[in-house]
Amino acid sequence: DGGITQSPKYLFRKEGQNVTLSCEQNLNHDAMYWYRQDPGQGLRLIYYSQIVNDFQKGDIAEGYSVSREKKESFPLTVTSAQKNPTAFYLCASSIAGFPGELFFGEGSRLTVL
Amino acid sequence: KQEVTQIPAALSVPEGENLVLNCSFTDSAIYNLQWFRQDPGKGLTSLLLIQSSQREQTSGRLNASLDKSSGRSTLYIAASQPGDSATYLCAVGIQGAQKLVFGQGTRLTINP
Repeated sequence: DGGITQSPKYLFRKEGQNVTLSCEQNLNHDAMYWYRQDPGQGLRLIYYSQIVNDFQKGDIAEGYSVSREKKESFPLTVTSAQKNPTAFYLCASSIAGFPGELFFGEGSRLTVL
Repeated sequence: KQEVTQIPAALSVPEGENLVLNCSFTDSAIYNLQWFRQDPGKGLTSLLLIQSSQREQTSGRLNASLDKSSGRSTLYIAASQPGDSATYLCAVGIQGAQKLVFGQGTRLTINP
């Protein structure tokens, strides 16, 4: 079945550590996105990529980094520079020509201890 | 700046009722509008996508309408079931911008 796979589902990090969240899709979608979700707030866009080897900052990119070396993969690194990293992170993809219909993964919950 | 609002934040109704969820946006220059469902601790599932040139979309017991001039969309759920309990989010695609703007969602509870 086609879909988006995020891993790990749960992740704990000590302050000062970088962590990388994985996102893989087999939908053959060109565009991929990372969103952050906090309680009581709407989803906020961190980074997006329309094509391999290219990506753009979203509304809250500070303290995060991404890469897009393969069409299927769009990993997100939460760096130690991110001041409040505890959140639910969602990866999404769409065919092309954003903003098209978005398909989401199951999410990764990051907790900083 | 586009802002998307969903009111109420939470709604509880008995099983079998028809109900309407509301979504309002401040800038009518939208590309499309999407409704999503989110179960606790899960990702979002796309329910309906309405292009800016369309007035409504239907899928099963769900019907979404779009009125750009008034900056409103509604999601109508017919004959509600306990399995419909979830958070429903709307998101607006902005013309000329590469992103969606999300509302904060309406948490819906259907009581048996």
